[in-house]
Amino acid sequence: DVKVTQSSRYLVKRTGEKVFLECVQDMDHENMFWYRQDPGLGLRLIYFSYDVKMKEKGDIPEGYSVSREKKERFSLILESASTNQTSMYLCASSSARVEQYFGPGTRLTVT
Amino acid sequence: KNQVEQSPQSLIILEGKNCTLQCNYTVSPFSNLRWYKQDTGRGPVSLTIMTFSENTKSNGRYTATLDADTKQSSLHITASQLSDSASYICVVSLHYGGSQGNLIFGKGTKLSVKP
Repeated sequence: DVKVTQSSRYLVKRTGEKVFLECVQDMDHENMFWYRQDPGLGLRLIYFSYDVKMKEKGDIPEGYSVSREKKERFSLILESASTNQTSMYLCASSSARVEQYFGPGTRLTVT
Repeated sequence: KNQVEQSPQSLIILEGKNCTLQCNYTVSPFSNLRWYKQDTGRGPVSLTIMTFSENTKSNGRYTATLDADTKQSSLHITASQLSDSASYICVVSLHYGGSQGNLIFGKGTKLSVKP
């Protein structure tokens, strides 16, 4: 079974803090994704990566950065967390032209 | 503009009843359509994936249909169970050469199954 794990299920941070969200997949997938999910807005793509050290902006990259130093790991970084970044963050991975597999999600609250 | 619209937004049914969720899309060029189930507080899990040439696909009590001419899909749930309570998300993939950042997500239908 494909497994996508995320470092935390719940996270509470203060405004201005630097936040790291980690995602690890065990299926040797080339592609990895970070989404945020908000009520009434659905899933929105923040960044994705199709190879180690490669990244592409999604629909809402502002305020975020990513890092992919190893194929299995994709990190989402909030350089200076703000309250409007309170959300559910979902990581996903896929091989070319195959469905995406999602992690369990991290519910981030910024106070 | 590439869009995926789902209806209804929410739905309440009694346990044991059937229901049908709708997905209309205006996505081009089309590659495939997926239905995901997302339990509250969890990540989405794939139910079905259909390409242009597939009209129907089943996964247990879940049956998805696709009409590529009218750009409509439906997800039919038979003999609903309490565990079917979840959000159901329709996702359409754009047909591009390599990148996987080409998914258009619907906002989901929230299904509640009551005893």
